[in-house]
Amino acid sequence: EAQVTQNPRYLITVTGKKLTVTCSQNMNHEYMSWYRQDPGLGLRQIYYSMNVEVTDKGDVPEGYKVSRKEKRNFPLILESPSPNQTSLYFCASSLQQDSNQPQHFGDGTRLSIL
Amino acid sequence: AQKVTQAQTEISVVEKEDVTLDCVYETRDTTYYLFWYKQPPSGELVFLIRRNSFDEQNEISGRYSWNFQKSTSSFNFTITASQVVDSAVYFCALSGVYNQGGKLIFGQGTELSVKP
Repeated sequence: EAQVTQNPRYLITVTGKKLTVTCSQNMNHEYMSWYRQDPGLGLRQIYYSMNVEVTDKGDVPEGYKVSRKEKRNFPLILESPSPNQTSLYFCASSLQQDSNQPQHFGDGTRLSIL
Repeated sequence: AQKVTQAQTEISVVEKEDVTLDCVYETRDTTYYLFWYKQPPSGELVFLIRRNSFDEQNEISGRYSWNFQKSTSSFNFTITASQVVDSAVYFCALSGVYNQGGKLIFGQGTELSVKP
């Protein structure tokens, strides 16, 4: 089954404790990205990757890092999480960096930073 | 700049009523794409439709229909004979050909509540 898998689905942690949210897709998609969803703001792009070893900032990259060492994986790293990073996070992928491609989204990761 | 506005934050209807969700967008691109996604209470995002800027034909899929009007920069979504299972947050989104990184610009979302 074609899917984007995120882990964990839920996480409560404390300020400053490094965490990684994993994202994996099985569709051989080149393009992957991370969004965060906040009430009243919709979803905003954090980082994106057009292919292996090619990543770039989205609209709200501060406080986040990503890597793309393999085509299927695109982890989101919070080196020193802060409460303002409490949010619902989505990983997405599409065949190419092509604006007409519908993006396939993971089921979301709800992060609470205390 | 690109922007999507969904002015209706919350809508509540009774089952079997028709309901229209509004979406207004701004873009300088001449070629762009519009999307609707559904987010049910379980939280995942479900792709509903994509429309490109050159195709202003309205589309109908079962109880769902979409009205794209370039003249008013709107891409409205109508659910006919709503059902409780339609209760969800609905997002309208925009992507442009020259858009950085294939990014989707999302509206704020409209929370639809369908009561039995």
